[in-house]
Amino acid sequence: DAGVTQSPTHLIKTRGQQVTLRCSPKSGHDTVSWYQQALGQGPQFIFQYYEEEERQRGNFPDRFSGHQFPNYSSELNVNALLLGDSALYLCASSLRGDQPQHFGDGTRLSIL
Amino acid sequence: GDSVTQMEGPVTLSEEAFLTINCTYTATGYPSLFWYVQYPGEGLQLLLKATKADDKGSNKGFEATYRKETTSFHLEKGSVQVSDSAVYFCALTGGNTDKLIFGTGTRLQVFP
Repeated sequence: DAGVTQSPTHLIKTRGQQVTLRCSPKSGHDTVSWYQQALGQGPQFIFQYYEEEERQRGNFPDRFSGHQFPNYSSELNVNALLLGDSALYLCASSLRGDQPQHFGDGTRLSIL
Repeated sequence: GDSVTQMEGPVTLSEEAFLTINCTYTATGYPSLFWYVQYPGEGLQLLLKATKADDKGSNKGFEATYRKETTSFHLEKGSVQVSDSAVYFCALTGGNTDKLIFGTGTRLQVFP
C-alpha cells in the first residue's frame, strides 16, 4: 500500500521563475493538504483540496495556487518565486473529516 | 488564533535517559492534539494523538496526556534510544477545520 508520494524530491529555481510540485495521496484518501516548512521551523498550512476545490487556505499570497485532479492527486504551483520561498514543501493526505493526515517526504525547493 | 508552543531544543540525552518535551497550546473549543516525528531527510510521521481531555496517546514507548486544565500535551518516554534522535513536533487541529497547526519543533539528540 503506497503512502503519500511527492515529486520531485529536490528542485533548484531562480527568482521570478515558476514551479509546479506534485503529490499522489495515500490509497483511499480523498483530501490533500500542502504545507511549507522553512528551515528550523514547523510546517505552515498553505491550503487544502477536496473534491477538486480549494476548501481552506492559510496565510499565503495568491502566488501560491493549486489543483486537484479526479484521481485525487494534486499540484502546488508557485509563481514569481522569491528567495523566501526556499523551503521543504510537504503534502499530506487524509480521508475527509478524519485524522490523522499522512505526510509525504516532501520536495526541497531552493531559490537562487 | 490557535497556536502551539514547544520547548526549545536541542534536547541532548544519554541512551536510556528519561525524556520530556513540553508542549502547551492555545485554542478555542476542543482541539485534537498530535505529536509528529521527523527523521533527517524525511517527512513527518504521526507518533501519537489524543482527541479529548484526559486522553492518553501512546506509541513506541512514547506517551502524552491531553491536559485541558493546563492546556498541555507533554511528550514523555521512559528510556530513550539512539534511534529516537529526530525532530519532534506538537500540533493541533481545532474548531471546524482539520488543518494542522504546528509548534516550531524540538530536536532530540541521544548519545550512546
